[in-house]
Amino acid sequence: DIVLTQSPATLSVTPGESVSLSCRASQGISTSIHWYQQKSNESPRLLIKYASQSISGIPSRFSGSGSGTDFTLSINRVESEDFSVYYCQQSYSLPLTFGSGTKLEIK
Amino acid sequence: EVQLVESGGGLVQPGRSMKLSCAASGFTFSNYGMAWVRQAPTKGLEWVATISYDGSSTYYRDSVKGRFTISRDNAKSTLYLQMNSLRSEDTATYYCTRRDWGDYWGQGVMVTVSS
Repeated sequence: DIVLTQSPATLSVTPGESVSLSCRASQGISTSIHWYQQKSNESPRLLIKYASQSISGIPSRFSGSGSGTDFTLSINRVESEDFSVYYCQQSYSLPLTFGSGTKLEIK
Repeated sequence: EVQLVESGGGLVQPGRSMKLSCAASGFTFSNYGMAWVRQAPTKGLEWVATISYDGSSTYYRDSVKGRFTISRDNAKSTLYLQMNSLRSEDTATYYCTRRDWGDYWGQGVMVTVSS
């Protein structure tokens, strides 16, 4: 199985700061990585597909990069509504797997 | 507007069965693969099963293989998950998603396996 390691587990930031969240795959997965945001008691929401492709309706401050084993979700100037948990997921091979999540919290 | 609405959850005893449904609307259901993803209380996301657009191919995680069955009725735009021999570790919120990489998610339905 492909293991996705997200870091850090928790990231404490002040609104207005820019941040980068990391997702590392245990083997090369090309660009078959997707990023989700999950707010408390809500369903996950797709933010970025295939490492860097934007999603309609998602604010432009969210962007993704990477290929192979190292991937990054960047948030330019974090806003109050962004404080939540972020997951990466690979669709390169079965079983599909998710990272354990990064919690973005207010400093 | 794409909508996915799950139903059929609740409390069930270990070893018993339960069937979840996911009613889809707002898109051509028969054109898309679908999946079930679950989330145990306070835990992360876990893929459960995937079905191809026409139902001809299905895939499962090892821990549910032989116990769970994913299926679909394209005429009714509905996805199903038949869960047999339920265990306490199957307790979770179950989400249906459009595609393997969920571009749309349902609101989720809670399944509690407990005596």
